[in-house]
Amino acid sequence: AQTIHQWPVAEIKAVGSPLSLGCTIKGKSSPNLYWYWQATGGTLQQLFYSITVGQVESVVQLNLSASRPKDDQFILSTEKLLLSHSGFYLCAWSLWGVGAETLYFGSGTRLTVL
Amino acid sequence: GDSVTQTEGLVTLTEGLPVMLNCTYQTIYSNPFLFWYVHYLNESPRLLLKSSTDNKRTEHQGFHATLHKSSSSFHLQKSSAQLSDSALYYCALRVNNNNAPRFGAGTKLTVKP
Repeated sequence: AQTIHQWPVAEIKAVGSPLSLGCTIKGKSSPNLYWYWQATGGTLQQLFYSITVGQVESVVQLNLSASRPKDDQFILSTEKLLLSHSGFYLCAWSLWGVGAETLYFGSGTRLTVL
Repeated sequence: GDSVTQTEGLVTLTEGLPVMLNCTYQTIYSNPFLFWYVHYLNESPRLLLKSSTDNKRTEHQGFHATLHKSSSSFHLQKSSAQLSDSALYYCALRVNNNNAPRFGAGTKLTVKP
């Protein structure tokens, strides 16, 4: 069975500090991977997606970057956090296909920037 | 670019009444894939139902939706709301595998006794 693990569960960080959020998918080779962000009271907004190792497409950057160093790992990071980065970050995966594939979400990371 | 519109941000219903959450989309592609995801509090969003077939009703867990390409709509319906249906509902659009699904603004459904 496939599992998706996001870490950390929650973070409280200072403005200007660095951030690294991670996501690991087990039990599925070469999945498509996605980062989504939800501001408090807001909607799910796609940030990045990746269809293969080392390749990441940016949808909305928000002064963030993403990398896929391994087939099963997706990292979201920034060197300097902004207050506007607060919110809920969700990693998701799907199978490769023609577009009908379901997204499977992780449990998310709640980020508070002070 | 592609877009998804969910007109209602908040919907409050009394248990037992019918549910209808609106979703319309815009895309230049003729074969879009439409999804409804449900996000319960303290859980991860998960797929409720999906479709890419024009005018075919798709059902799951008492909810149903029909993709109408003529009106670019994929409204979510249920005949009788339950308290446990209270959640955030997202309509999403995808046109091919080379992009991330685009989500609508979401509709928060609250069902009251």
